[in-house]
Amino acid sequence: GAGVSQSPRYKVAKRGQDVALRCDPISGHVSLFWYQQALGQGPEFLTYFQNEAQLDKSGLPSDRFFAERPEGSVSTLKIQRTQQEDSAVYLCASSKGQGSTGELFFGEGSRLTVL
Amino acid sequence: AQSVTQLGSHVSVSEGALVLLRCNYSSSVPPYLFWYVQYPNQGLQLLLKYTTGATLVKGINGFEAEFKKSETSFHLTKPSAHMSDAAEYFCAVKNFGNEKLTFGTGTRLTIIP
Repeated sequence: GAGVSQSPRYKVAKRGQDVALRCDPISGHVSLFWYQQALGQGPEFLTYFQNEAQLDKSGLPSDRFFAERPEGSVSTLKIQRTQQEDSAVYLCASSKGQGSTGELFFGEGSRLTVL
Repeated sequence: AQSVTQLGSHVSVSEGALVLLRCNYSSSVPPYLFWYVQYPNQGLQLLLKYTTGATLVKGINGFEAEFKKSETSFHLTKPSAHMSDAAEYFCAVKNFGNEKLTFGTGTRLTIIP
């Protein structure tokens, strides 16, 4: 596609519900990243894929957070048993991968509100 | 570990005045440096980046930034502010061989008519 596409753009969940956020990266981009952006803050790294391999998940805040990219393209970020502190914008980004200058291309984000 | 500090969470300038947004980084090796802009309810858009070579880099919308290794800084400037520049600006750092970007907390730029 022309850019990084994320869905849904807005999600309201009741505390305790599971949510799934989808990211469709730029075609051919090897690397895919998930970031969490709380209100008034900068993006915080969650996890990183190179193709289908999850190479870094050091930023995932708890075992309730899970990300996958089974075919090396579309990725899903799943949050189980959502809590109010999970409310944030979840940004997905992609890049050409190793050897590039590292520019990330971002989607518009999925805004999660947990009531 | 690499980190980024953006001095001033809010900056206000008059239309036509100089814009200066400050960014300092800490990194154990010469980093790659980026400035991104975020408009309300949108994702981040790259303004400019420094990788190697010339330390003064020019970006979109008239912005530029200078990498100063001795000061570990990468401040963003624009000679004359325009109303459309009102947005949130993020500085980010990346080390070679490490794919992820580390972002600062951002500076909200307000333009006064």
